[in-house]
Amino acid sequence: EPEVTQTPSHQVTQMGQEVILRCVPISNHLYFYWYRQILGQKVEFLVSFYNNEISEKSEIFDDQFSVERPDGSNFTLKIRSTKLEDSAMYFCASSQSRESNQPQHFGDGTRLSIL
Amino acid sequence: GNSVTQMEGPVTLSEEAFLTINCTYTATGYPSLFWYVQYPGEGLQLLLKATKADDKGSNKGFEATYRKETTSFHLEKGSVQVSDSAVYFCALSDRGSGTYKYIFGTGTRLKVLA
Repeated sequence: EPEVTQTPSHQVTQMGQEVILRCVPISNHLYFYWYRQILGQKVEFLVSFYNNEISEKSEIFDDQFSVERPDGSNFTLKIRSTKLEDSAMYFCASSQSRESNQPQHFGDGTRLSIL
Repeated sequence: GNSVTQMEGPVTLSEEAFLTINCTYTATGYPSLFWYVQYPGEGLQLLLKATKADDKGSNKGFEATYRKETTSFHLEKGSVQVSDSAVYFCALSDRGSGTYKYIFGTGTRLKVLA
């Protein structure tokens, strides 16, 4: 069964550094998402992306965050100047359509640790 | 805004026990409802879904019924196994500006003892 893949599985970065998290969505999916889960807290929506532009973003997704689909397969999340509170598990997801009943398929996540 | 409330964990059961994990939601309109499972060290996997009132989602012995009158989507399994030990997340699809994002509950950790 096709799956969403994320790299790296664990990223350790110094505070203030830029970090790029990578995702390869399922190949025939058109809608892409990033979520994050701070340790012990709920999974929170960050951003959705379609047709090479952001469809919706949450309050968490401030100017330090950006997303990009640089080619036909990758979908990246960049954090320009990381802060301690960015430490979390970041999940990428994709879906075939934007209909409410279509499930989103999630990757295994990237654990980001900011020192 | 829309929200999902799940029962606090952890839930510890013996093998073959009956499982219920409560989930209630607040939403405008008629969202689709989902249960996802996260096994240790893995991502979120879709367990089951229901897209309208009175729908029952089922998979791997787990069931949940979309109850509009009680705004609930409780997860049940008649006989749990050690391999069911995981964190279970209830979620609803929330219509945003053109796409649906998920709103998750806090997750409920299930531990099944042999």
